[in-house]
Amino acid sequence: DAKTTQPNSMESNEEEPVHLPCNHSTISGTDYIHWYRQLPSQGPEYVIHGLTSNVNNRMASLAIAEDRKSSTLILHRATLRDAAVYYCILRDDQGGSEKLVFGKGTKLTVNP
Amino acid sequence: DTGVSQNPRHKITKRGQNVTFRCDPISEHNRLYWYRQTLGQGPEFLTYFQNEAQLEKSRLLSDRFSAERPKGSFSTLEIQRTEQGDSAMYLCASSLRPTRSLSGNTIYFGEGSWLTVV
Repeated sequence: DAKTTQPNSMESNEEEPVHLPCNHSTISGTDYIHWYRQLPSQGPEYVIHGLTSNVNNRMASLAIAEDRKSSTLILHRATLRDAAVYYCILRDDQGGSEKLVFGKGTKLTVNP
Repeated sequence: DTGVSQNPRHKITKRGQNVTFRCDPISEHNRLYWYRQTLGQGPEFLTYFQNEAQLEKSRLLSDRFSAERPKGSFSTLEIQRTEQGDSAMYLCASSLRPTRSLSGNTIYFGEGSWLTVV
């Protein structure tokens, strides 16, 4: 499984934008970039995913570099409820089990 | 609430006892996954079912672990002769098998079952 590199932790202030980086230099052509987050004492939840183009949804935006070797999850206005561990995951969505392979993620702290 | 239900949510057991966890996935989902998570680590994949067939097992799934999904709906994960190293959160997740027109299916996780072996 292709690997990703994320900072161990990041800090933000409430109502400010947050940019969470992810490096994935060994990404293959069929790998989608998925982001999940895990709030304390809960299971992971889906945030967003993309292949080549930037993506937006109600939770966040995903900016993907042109060479696809890195991406950035953008939370436009952080709230205290966004404090969580954010996982950047590469997944081959062309077949197989489509299981998610998690790393350690980035622990986001949001200050009031 | 994602719709994936896990029971029990917490279990404390003595070393050497057997424990069983149950997962009820989202009703129309044909894929079901089990993960294990220890403190400070990301979830680790254990096994995956498509309908009732167990199609992939991680090497983490030792002989003491067995998972079933008898009718392609709910699933159970049994741990026999528990050891202290089995203490973890066990996560269940489900999704739809992708079709030609639907790829990148979202995987939905339950809230997990916490196991403490004393």
